[in-house]
Amino acid sequence: DTEVTQTPKHLVMGMTNKKSLKCEQHMGHRAMYWYKQKAKKPPELMFVYSYEKLSINESVPSRFSPECPNSSLLNLHLHALQPEDSALYLCASSQDPDYGYTFGSGTRLTVV
Amino acid sequence: ILNVEQSPQSLHVQEGDSTNFTCSFPSSNFYALHWYRWETAKSPEALFVMTLNGDEKKKGRISATLNTKEGYSYLYIKGSQPEDSATYLCAPNNNAGNMLTFGGGTRLMVKP
Repeated sequence: DTEVTQTPKHLVMGMTNKKSLKCEQHMGHRAMYWYKQKAKKPPELMFVYSYEKLSINESVPSRFSPECPNSSLLNLHLHALQPEDSALYLCASSQDPDYGYTFGSGTRLTVV
Repeated sequence: ILNVEQSPQSLHVQEGDSTNFTCSFPSSNFYALHWYRWETAKSPEALFVMTLNGDEKKKGRISATLNTKEGYSYLYIKGSQPEDSATYLCAPNNNAGNMLTFGGGTRLMVKP
């Protein structure tokens, strides 16, 4: 298995909802990432997990809460989001900084 | 957060043309430079990870060069095909950390 799987592919949620994005990889990669991508902008790093521990949090608002239950899974819990949080959320994994990332196909999130 | 610039932002070429574009990044504390290809509605796909000054890598009709002293990399596509149409992203990794900062990308459109 050489893929990163993200679910759901699309999500529409209200500002008072609580939802979660899921990311899974079975390549034994030790690092996993969440990126946010707005239209016509580059992906922006949100969080990095290394060996299941949060190693980088790029000053992301607390309404986004990451979780890494095990080495294969990465979740992003969402609560009280704003319409401006609507974006494509990409998950990626890597074995080592010397190797490229493997990206999932993303979750297209719309906050209404 | 690194200042990463890619040029041009977009490029239209005819099938069969050869083309190239540029990625500029800070040369200090350089560790690696990644190139990704991102087709619409698909996951970003790793093309190259380059670490050595003067390095040149090739994958089919696509090749890349790296100058770490002056902080730039070129991506070349020989004999462009419509299936090469995509956004090409570069991302330097400084200090060997698990953190890529993406440039804004070059959007390539190849007309048949």
